[in-house]
Amino acid sequence: SQTIHQWPATLVQPVGSPLSLECTVEGTSNPNLYWYRQAAGRGLQLLFYSVGIGQISSEVPQNLSASRPQDRQFILSSKKLLLSDSGFYLCAWSQIHGYTFGSGTRLTVV
Amino acid sequence: SQELEQSPQSLIVQEGKNLTINCTSSKTLYGLYWYKQKYGEGLIFLMMLQKGGEEKSHEKITAKLDEKKQQSSLHITASQPSHAGIYLCGADKAAGNKLTFGGGTRVLVKP
Repeated sequence: SQTIHQWPATLVQPVGSPLSLECTVEGTSNPNLYWYRQAAGRGLQLLFYSVGIGQISSEVPQNLSASRPQDRQFILSSKKLLLSDSGFYLCAWSQIHGYTFGSGTRLTVV
Repeated sequence: SQELEQSPQSLIVQEGKNLTINCTSSKTLYGLYWYKQKYGEGLIFLMMLQKGGEEKSHEKITAKLDEKKQQSSLHITASQPSHAGIYLCGADKAAGNKLTFGGGTRVLVKP
């Protein structure tokens, strides 16, 4: 079956520290992969999407970057976190039949 | 890029009352998706609409897409506390291609 794993579930990091969030997909190949961020009580903002290994499109200018080192692995990173990076981060994958979301990571930058 | 506007931003209804959430696009949609989210949790898929004029229902929730495929509504009949949460509409440009979302509607159901 097709599943998506996202970790950690919660994370508290100091300002200026690095970040690495990982998302892996099982049971499918060559999916489109996405990172979204949600500010408190708001909608989901698309940050990055990838259609293949090493192919990353950035949707908004920001302090974050994404990488896809393997077909089913998508990583969200930052070299130095800002307070404004706090939020709820969701990973997702898609193929023609629709979208599947991970359970999310709540990041608090202090 | 495609922008989705959701209204209202928040909604408080008495238990048993109906409610409607609207989602409007500046461009013709390919697929329109409705999700529900409890705070701090992942998304629960509700329905997907693709054809102009399409309407789908599941339990007490009905979603419609207009003929021009630029506006959708989500209607909940006889709301219950379990309907509380954030409702999100999303749309993509092609099948399984780059889903983007509206700003969300926070629903609170008062017992």
